[in-house]
Parts: sequence; structure tokens; C-alpha cells
Amino acid sequence: SYELTQPPSVSVSPGQTAGITCSGHKLGDKYASWYQQKPGQSPVLVIYEDNKRPSGIPERFSGSNSGNTATLSISGTQAMDEADYYCQAWDSSTAVVFGGGTKLTVL
Amino acid sequence: QVQLQQWGAGLLKPSETLSLTCAVYGGSFSSYYWTWIRQPPGKGLEWIGEIIQSGYTNYNPSLKSRVTISLDTSKNQLSLKLTSVTAADTAVFYCARGVYGSSDYYYDYWGQGTLVTVSS
Repeated sequence: SYELTQPPSVSVSPGQTAGITCSGHKLGDKYASWYQQKPGQSPVLVIYEDNKRPSGIPERFSGSNSGNTATLSISGTQAMDEADYYCQAWDSSTAVVFGGGTKLTVL
Repeated sequence: QVQLQQWGAGLLKPSETLSLTCAVYGGSFSSYYWTWIRQPPGKGLEWIGEIIQSGYTNYNPSLKSRVTISLDTSKNQLSLKLTSVTAADTAVFYCARGVYGSSDYYYDYWGQGTLVTVSS
């Protein structure tokens, strides 16, 4: 079965750029989406189709996807960005797959 | 504004059947994949299955023998039934709206989540 691998944790200083990776076999041939989940809350879509932002998501959130790796970048990271982040992909043979999640710490 | 509001029993005994309902307010009910996703405490997201307005369903192979997802289009509601639950099924269950594009599939609206605990 298809798997997506994320680092368990990423740390970033306030104001710096955070990068969270998501790896999967030929992931660049699929679209990647990203979700932010704060404690006790439902996931929120922050990136879809590799690099598109839904309405209401700040411009500091961006995404890329190439080869075997998709990356969520958060520029000018703020304390409010501290959360768990999940990548997700789909294709007709694998159905929906989520990565294991990455805890972003802003310190 | 689209809202998904879900409810159901939060405490079950082993071997019982989990039953959850999700009501969809606002937006069209058609053209979307209505989905259930779960998250065990402290763990990641697991896709359970989906349904579209035609009644077509697709389930996670690991749960397929125990899962039924259904739609009540007259009420804009979807439901989840999971039979023969065990402690391993303890999780927060979410309903979500799936948007299917030409090659992409993502979830743009989520319910508030329902914690279901299985304990004797």
C-alpha cells in the first residue's frame, strides 16, 4: 500500500521559515494537500493541489511537490502556527492516504 | 457557509456497533465525496470511507468488512456504522467534504469531531 512519511517534529524560531516534508514514491506525480490541526480542533485545509491556498489561509503558507517529496513552507512563522500538520495524497490506485503528521514547534 | 455537524454515542462496549450521523448545512450535497475519517488519541488520521450522492461507496480495505456509510439526501445527512468494535476503534471520528478534481482529492470542510471510546 502507498505510504507518506513525515518527520515527527520540526522546530522553528518565530519569524523564520519552517519547512515540513512529506515523502512518498513518485509523490510528485500526484497532488499533495496539507492540513493544520491544533489541539482539540478539527483539521483545517491549508494547501491543496500542491500549492493552492484556500480562502482565508495566510499567504505565508505555501507548498511545492516534486520527485518523491512535497514540502509545506511557512514563512515568517508565528506562534499561532504551532500545530500538527498532515500531508495527504490520492490517486485512483491508492485511494486516500495521510502522512503520519508533523508537530511544528515555534520557539 | 458550509457547516458539518455530527453526533452519536460516545461510549461503547466491545462488540457493539458504532453509529454516527453528520448533517451538512449550506452548499450543494451533490458533486462531493462525503467521507468519514478517524484519529486515535495522540495518533494520525485514518481514512475510513466515502459516499457520493448516487450511493456509490468506497471503503478502507482494512475496515471494509465492518463499515457501512449511507446517505439521507432528503435530510442532507450521512451516517457511519462500524460493527463489532474493540478498544482499537477508540478514536475521534470526523465527517468531511471531499472535493474531487481531475487528479486531486482533498477535504475542505470538516465536522467538529466525535470522540468514541470503546471500553468494557
